[in-house]
Amino acid sequence: DVKVTQSSRYLVKRTGEKVFLECVQDMDHENMFWYRQDPGLGLRLIYFSYDVKMKEKGDIPEGYSVSREKKERFSLILESASTNQTSMYLCASSLSLTPVEHYEQYFGPGTRLTVT
Amino acid sequence: AQKVTQAQTEISVVEKEDVTLDCVYETRDTTYYLFWYKQPPSGELVFLIRRNSFDEQNEISGRYSWNFQKSTSSFNFTITASQVVDSAVYFCALITGSNYKLTFGKGTLLTVNP
Repeated sequence: DVKVTQSSRYLVKRTGEKVFLECVQDMDHENMFWYRQDPGLGLRLIYFSYDVKMKEKGDIPEGYSVSREKKERFSLILESASTNQTSMYLCASSLSLTPVEHYEQYFGPGTRLTVT
Repeated sequence: AQKVTQAQTEISVVEKEDVTLDCVYETRDTTYYLFWYKQPPSGELVFLIRRNSFDEQNEISGRYSWNFQKSTSSFNFTITASQVVDSAVYFCALITGSNYKLTFGKGTLLTVNP
């Protein structure tokens, strides 16, 4: 079974702090994704990576950056946390970009971040 | 552009009732996959099913069944004889051959009361 783990289930940070959310997958997947989930808005893609050191912006990248130095690890960085970044953050991975059968994404348990 | 609509925001049923969760999608691609995920209160999204655009066969897995109709761009999910453990948010999602991004609907919160 694919295992996607996230470093914390709950995190409380102060406004202006730099925040790192870590995600690790153990199935040698090429693609990794960061989403945030908010009530009434569903899941929105922040960033994704299709290879080591490669990244692309998703739908809501503002205020975030990412790092992928190793294939199994994908970090989401909040350079200066703000209260509107309080949310549930979900990491996912998928095998590859082709063929389309490999698009299936596997999700981690999520990190509920509160910025005060 | 692709879009997934789950018109039902919340559904509440009594245990043992059957319930159908609706999903309507939009895409211009002819090759695409549709998914259903379950998100229990613990938070983790659990994959339930994948269906590709060339396979319109309905699928049944235990108490779960899925009805895929390309003519109406719908991929509905039915739970038969619902149980309290079915209480969760259910997401329908779409991915296409030309766009690797998974597009989610906003989810349907299903509450099954004893």
